[in-house]
Amino acid sequence: DGGITQSPKYLFRKEGQNVTLSCEQNLNHDAMYWYRQDPGQGLRLIYYSQIVNDFQKGDIAEGYSVSREKKESFPLTVTSAQKNPTAFYLCASNQGREETQYFGPGTRLLVL
Amino acid sequence: QKEVEQNSGPLSVPEGAIASLNCTYSDRGSQSFFWYRQYSGKSPELIMFIYSNGDKEDGRFTAQLNKASQYVSLLIRDSQPSDSATYLCAVNGLRTYKYIFGTGTRLKVLA
Repeated sequence: DGGITQSPKYLFRKEGQNVTLSCEQNLNHDAMYWYRQDPGQGLRLIYYSQIVNDFQKGDIAEGYSVSREKKESFPLTVTSAQKNPTAFYLCASNQGREETQYFGPGTRLLVL
Repeated sequence: QKEVEQNSGPLSVPEGAIASLNCTYSDRGSQSFFWYRQYSGKSPELIMFIYSNGDKEDGRFTAQLNKASQYVSLLIRDSQPSDSATYLCAVNGLRTYKYIFGTGTRLKVLA
């Protein structure tokens, strides 16, 4: 089965803690993305990567970091600098520019 | 002006009716247009994509694109209660890997 997996489904963060969200795809897609969705809101782009070992900031990158060491993996770290991290985080991928984006099931991050 | 605009709704239609969802965009260089359906608490799933002016039909769904007027619409024929969801419009520009999403229109199909 080809697709995008995200883990965990729910994640709880304590004050001052860094947490990492996992995103893996076996679609052989070059481009991968991280979005944040707040209740009743659209998707806001955090980071994206066009190829391995390269990534660009999106519209709301402050307080987040990413890496792209393998084509199939694009983990997102929510650092302690992100003061309001509670949201639904979505990972997506597509083969190239202008191609359809496919989404993983999402990770819901909550602050304790 | 937002880059991609959608009426937040809710748009309520009776079962069996046609639901019409609209989206306008600001970047005239936009090349690819996508409609996603998102159920509450779930991730978006692709409904349709359209690249050229005109209509594109897939089952009960028809996407319409008018680049001169910078709008794209989605028609859902014979609406079913299971179509009740939020519909997101997404736009991808020329020579860019970034996709811009609207805030979505919430559709309610009344049985």
